[in-house]
Amino acid sequence: DAGVIQSPRHEVTEMGQEVTLRCKPISGHDYLFWYRQTMMRGLELLIYFNNNVPIDDSGMPEDRFSAKMPNASFSTLKIQPSEPRDSAVYFCASSLSSRYSYEQYFGPGTRLTVT
Amino acid sequence: AQSVAQPEDQVNVAEGNPLTVKCTYSVSGNPYLFWYVQYPNRGLQFLLKYITGDNLVKGSYGFEAEFNKSQTSFHLKKPSALVSDSALYFCAVRDIGQAGTALIFGKGTTLSVSS
Repeated sequence: DAGVIQSPRHEVTEMGQEVTLRCKPISGHDYLFWYRQTMMRGLELLIYFNNNVPIDDSGMPEDRFSAKMPNASFSTLKIQPSEPRDSAVYFCASSLSSRYSYEQYFGPGTRLTVT
Repeated sequence: AQSVAQPEDQVNVAEGNPLTVKCTYSVSGNPYLFWYVQYPNRGLQFLLKYITGDNLVKGSYGFEAEFNKSQTSFHLKKPSALVSDSALYFCAVRDIGQAGTALIFGKGTTLSVSS
């Protein structure tokens, strides 16, 4: 299995530009999570989906952030417009729900730099 | 509300010595507990979990964790540390709110193993 795939691995953009991060979860997994990691705030859960439906988006910092999951194999996290304080590493993770399984599998992350 | 605490920002240990990374939790009901490791510029990797059963859980790379219900702790241990174990370690607990599938992560503990 290829694991969770994220693209791009690195993104450098200017303030005000739109940024789209992409994620392909592990095949068969029914949950998908988006996280943000910074030195100051640590690991933050932004939003998660179950069977392509958003369950909890309370961690999304502002309306500038949006996430979609059009099908079981693909999700996007969009920031529009981007700001320097959005600079962070963004992780996607997926999991398979079952009675004794809740572990999440993380992708390699996208390092976003907004100048 | 569910929560986890990692009381140490950093743990230093010499190679060959035993290591312990501490985690305490607060949950209503039975805890589902996890340990993850993050190497530099990588995503989080699942190490082990406690759902039910034996209080001593064995995981990847020779790590184990001991669940202690009376002390509400789930400390990560390894009998003999390796320099390659140097990384950031996260404890997590299942969030039973909403769909009950999200994980709540601690702030992380940096383990430094010296040769």
